[in-house]
Amino acid sequence: EAGVAQSPRYKIIEKRQSVAFWCNPISGHATLYWYQQILGQGPKLLIQFQNNGVVDDSQLPKDRFSAERLKGVDSTLKIQPAKLEDSAVYLCASSTDGAGYGYTFGSGTRLTVV
Amino acid sequence: GEDVEQSLFLSVREGDSSVINCTYTDSSSTYLYWYKQEPGAGLQLLTYIFSNMDMKQDQRLTVLLNKKDKHLSLRIADTQTGDSAIYFCAERVYSSASKIIFGSGTRLSIRP
Repeated sequence: EAGVAQSPRYKIIEKRQSVAFWCNPISGHATLYWYQQILGQGPKLLIQFQNNGVVDDSQLPKDRFSAERLKGVDSTLKIQPAKLEDSAVYLCASSTDGAGYGYTFGSGTRLTVV
Repeated sequence: GEDVEQSLFLSVREGDSSVINCTYTDSSSTYLYWYKQEPGAGLQLLTYIFSNMDMKQDQRLTVLLNKKDKHLSLRIADTQTGDSAIYFCAERVYSSASKIIFGSGTRLSIRP
């Protein structure tokens, strides 16, 4: 089966600019997650979708971050305006409902804000 | 609370066993995981253990779970250079929804 696809692979922007990341999960996976991984840290969950509805966005900085998952498939994560501390790898993952055996992660988008 | 802690670095000689340790705080965790991350790559699920198990073995990997002490370990037998990576311990927790919480990762380096 194809894995979780993410694009772009790398992005460099200036602070206060906007940026968007795209994720295509594994076909049939109802749950989609966006994680932020700052250098030297473990991934931190930003937002979780079940189909096209948000089930947990408690860690999402909503003043600058937004995410959507149209038609319960692809998802986009946006940052506007970006800050220096947003430099990180943004990982998308997906799973079937109640996947106790873990998520499948994409390769991530490395964002550098200068 | 939700917290997963692990040591930052481990160095072992090639061919020896590596043991990576982790502690977690959420006693209601049902699943615990070990993920591997190689440079520039996403996270790869290595193995997982259900909370009613004490041990799980999968080829060179052995996972030990001490639920009383909330301690999880990953043993890699016959460590090879290809095992160099960052290893993340993670637990599945339930708050508003089921989600996986990760530790900060242990960087495993292999000495010749």
